[in-house]
Amino acid sequence: DAKTTQPTSMDCAEGRAANLPCNHSTISGNEYVYWYRQIHSQGPQYIIHGLKNNETNEMASLIITEDRKSSTLILPHATLRDTAVYYCIVRRRGAAGNKLTFGGGTRVLVKP
Amino acid sequence: EAGVAQSPRYKIIEKRQSVAFWCNPISGHATLYWYQQILGQGPKLLIQFQNNGVVDDSQLPKDRFSAERLKGVDSTLKIQPAKLEDSAVYLCASSLESSGGSQIGYEQYFGPGTRLTVT
Repeated sequence: DAKTTQPTSMDCAEGRAANLPCNHSTISGNEYVYWYRQIHSQGPQYIIHGLKNNETNEMASLIITEDRKSSTLILPHATLRDTAVYYCIVRRRGAAGNKLTFGGGTRVLVKP
Repeated sequence: EAGVAQSPRYKIIEKRQSVAFWCNPISGHATLYWYQQILGQGPKLLIQFQNNGVVDDSQLPKDRFSAERLKGVDSTLKIQPAKLEDSAVYLCASSLESSGGSQIGYEQYFGPGTRLTVT
């Protein structure tokens, strides 16, 4: 699976949009971009995934560049409960290649 | 819908002792995973089961770690004997991944984890 690069940490203000970047320059055509987050003392939580089109759900939006070498997770109105480590993961779908390879993630601190 | 259940939540043992963790996945989920998360790092996959068969155990230290998933539902992960470097959170996750039909979900749902401290 392709490696990803994320900033180590970032702060954002409560109520503002949080934009979390991720670089995945070696992504291949059959690999998806997944985002998970891990709140302190909890297991990781699935947020969103995409292949090449932008995606939106009730938690966040995912913007993938046209060349698919980078993406941005957007939390539209960050709350204090969004403070967590956010992991960007690239992986193939399908039973054989379905494992998640976590990097260090981005530690996001939402400040009042 | 009930989530992934794990027990115990915390365990403290001395090195060279043995320990076992239990996981009950979400009902109907065919695939079960065990991850190890050392403090300050992302989770690392130890073993993946599809029903009751092992799909990937390439990163499982087989000299001391073992895992089983009898009847394709619950799973146990055992460490014997434990070392200091085994101190970590052990996370269990499951995903739907039906092999047939139209329902295939690859999203993994994680339990709260078991925090192991080896002294």
